[in-house]
Amino acid sequence: GQSLEQPSEVTAVEGAIVQINCTYQTSGFYGLSWYQQHDGGAPTFLSYNALDGLEETGRFSSFLSRSDSYGYLLLQELQMKDSASYFCAVRDSGGSSYKLIFGSGTRLLVRP
Amino acid sequence: DTEVTQTPKHLVMGMTNKKSLKCEQHMGHRAMYWYKQKAKKPPELMFVYSYEKLSINESVPSRFSPECPNSSLLNLHLHALQPEDSALYLCASSQDGTNAWEQYFGPGTRLTVT
Repeated sequence: GQSLEQPSEVTAVEGAIVQINCTYQTSGFYGLSWYQQHDGGAPTFLSYNALDGLEETGRFSSFLSRSDSYGYLLLQELQMKDSASYFCAVRDSGGSSYKLIFGSGTRLLVRP
Repeated sequence: DTEVTQTPKHLVMGMTNKKSLKCEQHMGHRAMYWYKQKAKKPPELMFVYSYEKLSINESVPSRFSPECPNSSLLNLHLHALQPEDSALYLCASSQDGTNAWEQYFGPGTRLTVT
């Protein structure tokens, strides 16, 4: 089977940098995705890493280490609007490759 | 246009009612998904349609019946639901099933079963 682990909650101050980690266990691996979801809202795709290294998109960056089965989402210059839940996700490596498996989510609280 | 629309936004139904949730996308995506999400939990996959054919049914009870009339539309027919079915129902789409890592979600239908 597959599983993803991420911290349940992270708190940070406005303007700071925060890193949300995700470790995964899969029998096969295609890549790691990140989604943001505000309370009452829909998940929004943030990034995807298929290869090792850092991908930067504005204030958000995502990192992957396939050898360590580990990735993280880095949020810089935190803003109040970044308070949300963040999910890492992998594609099912079994028979249902169209299936995205989500981690349990990390709730980020940004304080003034 | 990167928008997925869902109707209705809110739905309250009794356990004997029949209702339908609707989802539409005009991005030319060929994979569409239904998810169920409970509070403070990740989305839980229910069904996947690829090129208008049902590809995945995650052992969902038969009181949930999906339908894909064409490549832009996805319906979820509801009948004889239970109170534990109350949740946020999300529709999503991706370019195709092999691009499942990048999905676009609709705003969801908040369903309450009384």
